[in-house]
Amino acid sequence: GNSVTQMEGPVTLSEEAFLTINCTYTATGYPSLFWYVQYPGEGLQLLLKATKADDKGSNKGFEATYRKETTSFHLEKGSVQVSDSAVYFCALSPDTGNQFYFGTGTSLTVIP
Amino acid sequence: DAGITQSPRYKITETGRQVTLMCHQTWSHSYMFWYRQDLGHGLRLIYYSAAADITDKGEVPDGYVVSRSKTENFPLTLESATRSQTSVYFCASREGVLAFFGQGTRLTVV
Repeated sequence: GNSVTQMEGPVTLSEEAFLTINCTYTATGYPSLFWYVQYPGEGLQLLLKATKADDKGSNKGFEATYRKETTSFHLEKGSVQVSDSAVYFCALSPDTGNQFYFGTGTSLTVIP
Repeated sequence: DAGITQSPRYKITETGRQVTLMCHQTWSHSYMFWYRQDLGHGLRLIYYSAAADITDKGEVPDGYVVSRSKTENFPLTLESATRSQTSVYFCASREGVLAFFGQGTRLTVV
């Protein structure tokens, strides 16, 4: 079946620290992979996506590379800011079917 | 404003009452979804709809009812609310490979 496993939180970092949030997936075929971000009191917003193996999604300084050989899509940012404090969700959309599958979310707090 | 609008944003109801959460999209996306968000579980799919008058169960459908008489609306009804249904509920639509979310409804059942 389809599933997403992501790093347990919460994660607390100092401003300008390096961020990695791990995400691995199980899926048949060639799913599309996503990172969504949820700021306090809001819905989920797309942060970045990758639709095929070896694609790199990037946005707002965040990056993630679709690694089919390790079934991973880890989120990275070189220098986090206080404004990056949010909950981050890894997700997949299988190449057949129309549902999305989400990880449990990782809460990130960045302190000045 | 374009997008997905959920109402109400906050709701407190009593055990056993019926409550309906509304979801409206200004696009004409075919697929719409209802999720609940709970600590430790992430987002779990309750119901989804492929088009008007076509709905299907997700992972956690028990205690919920949906309808979709018009493409733009996808209400979720809790027929007899229970404390275990206290949660944040998100409506979403799909275009291509992307999901678009509403701002959520925080429901408390007392």
